[in-house]
Amino acid sequence: EAQVTQNPRYLITVTGKKLTVTCSQNMNHEYMSWYRQDPGLGLRQIYYSMNVEVTDKGDVPEGYKVSRKEKRNFPLILESPSPNQTSLYFCASSLGQVGRAEAFFGQGTRLTVV
Amino acid sequence: AQTVTQSQPEMSVQEAETVTLSCTYDTSESDYYLFWYKQPPSRQMILVIRQEAYKQQNATENRFSVNFQKAAKSFSLKISDSQLGDAAMYFCAYRSAYFGNEKLTFGTGTRLTIIP
Repeated sequence: EAQVTQNPRYLITVTGKKLTVTCSQNMNHEYMSWYRQDPGLGLRQIYYSMNVEVTDKGDVPEGYKVSRKEKRNFPLILESPSPNQTSLYFCASSLGQVGRAEAFFGQGTRLTVV
Repeated sequence: AQTVTQSQPEMSVQEAETVTLSCTYDTSESDYYLFWYKQPPSRQMILVIRQEAYKQQNATENRFSVNFQKAAKSFSLKISDSQLGDAAMYFCAYRSAYFGNEKLTFGTGTRLTIIP
C-alpha cells in the first residue's frame, strides 16, 4: 500500500530537549516536505527536499532542521524545541514531475513542548 | 508569492442538503493546480478534488464538484447531498505547475458541520 509514515503520532517534550520526527514513504517519490498546522493559519511549509541531499527552506524554517540521506526518509529535527513549536506536523511526498500533482500526507504528529 | 483565502471559518448544513465552500487565490502564474483537502477528526489529510488551471471544465468527483473561475481567481467546492461523514475541516490549496515547485499553499480552512 502506498503510504507516508510518520512517527510518533503524539509527543510531549520539554523545552530544549532535542527530538526527531521521522517520515518515510514507499512510493519512490522525489519531492518531500514538512508542514506545520496551527489554528487559524492553515498549513505552512517548513522545509522541503527535491531529492537526496537536496533540501531547502520553506516559509517557516526557524528552529528546524532536516536531512535527506535516503530517498525514502526525510526526518524533521528540533534541536532545541520551544513552546511556540507546539503544533500539528505533517510530512508529505509527491512524485516531483509536472502533471503528477497529487501529494500524499502522513498521519500527522501532534507535538506539545512544555 | 501566492496566497489562498478562505473567508468562511465555519459553515453548517442540514444532512442531504447542498453546501458551497468558498476559496479565492492570488497568483501571477498562468499554470497551476488547485485542490480541496478534507481533514476529519482523525487529522488525516484526504484529497477531495483537484483542478488543473489549463482545463476549463470544472472537476467533479461523485457528490463533490468545483466552480473554477480562473479570471476571478475563485475556486469554490460544492458538496451535494451532504452526509454526516462529510463533517470535517476543509482546506483549499494551490500548487504551481512549474517543475521543481511542488509547495502547497493552503488557506486557513473551513470547518463544516453537518446537522442531522
